[in-house]
Amino acid sequence: GAVVSQHPSWVICKSGTSVKIECRSLDFQATTMFWYRQFPKQSLMLMATSNEGSKATYEQGVEKDKFLINHASLTLSTLTVTSAHPEDSSFYICSAHRGGRATDTQYFGPGTRLTVL
Amino acid sequence: SQQGEEDPQALSIQEGENATMNCSYKTSINNLQWYRQNSGRGLVHLILIRSNEREKHSGRLRVTLDTSKKSSSLLITASRAADTASYFCATTINNDMRFGAGTRLTVKP
Repeated sequence: GAVVSQHPSWVICKSGTSVKIECRSLDFQATTMFWYRQFPKQSLMLMATSNEGSKATYEQGVEKDKFLINHASLTLSTLTVTSAHPEDSSFYICSAHRGGRATDTQYFGPGTRLTVL
Repeated sequence: SQQGEEDPQALSIQEGENATMNCSYKTSINNLQWYRQNSGRGLVHLILIRSNEREKHSGRLRVTLDTSKKSSSLLITASRAADTASYFCATTINNDMRFGAGTRLTVKP
């Protein structure tokens, strides 16, 4: 089946530093990828839609200058948390439609746990 | 923002019993999917049901969709301790997927 990977699986950083998270579709091309954030014991909240070759679309309330998204190829999207603060600590999950259509199954990466000290 | 609401928020049953989780949503959808998440892990896709379908089965899983009531249910039959996890419904509208709050299922051996 389709596989989406994320790297790193966990990261601990100091407040004020920037952290980059990679999301890769391993056996299919994804023109669109999605980034979610999940706080403990809560549901996934869509942060942004990452579009290959164009700017990401951010959800209301998500700071685009803080959460930089780059989708430079059909198999890779990156999320950079800039000047991270403890409140940015969360579980970040990416996903992609294998068929590129909204009606196709969406496959999720294993997530990246970010802890900001 | 979240689209779906799930109930119950938490469900505890004995191994062998059936577990039913419900999901309600607010607007018309393209499809609805159910996912499972073990604590601190990624999501595992269980079933996708399209807006023109009413019921789907996969192994011990049965999903129903009632678009007139804007609701879906996930039934897990003959539950096992390994089914302990959080279960989320997710609705797709155009290219956006929104998740419900989830149901935390505990299956006691």
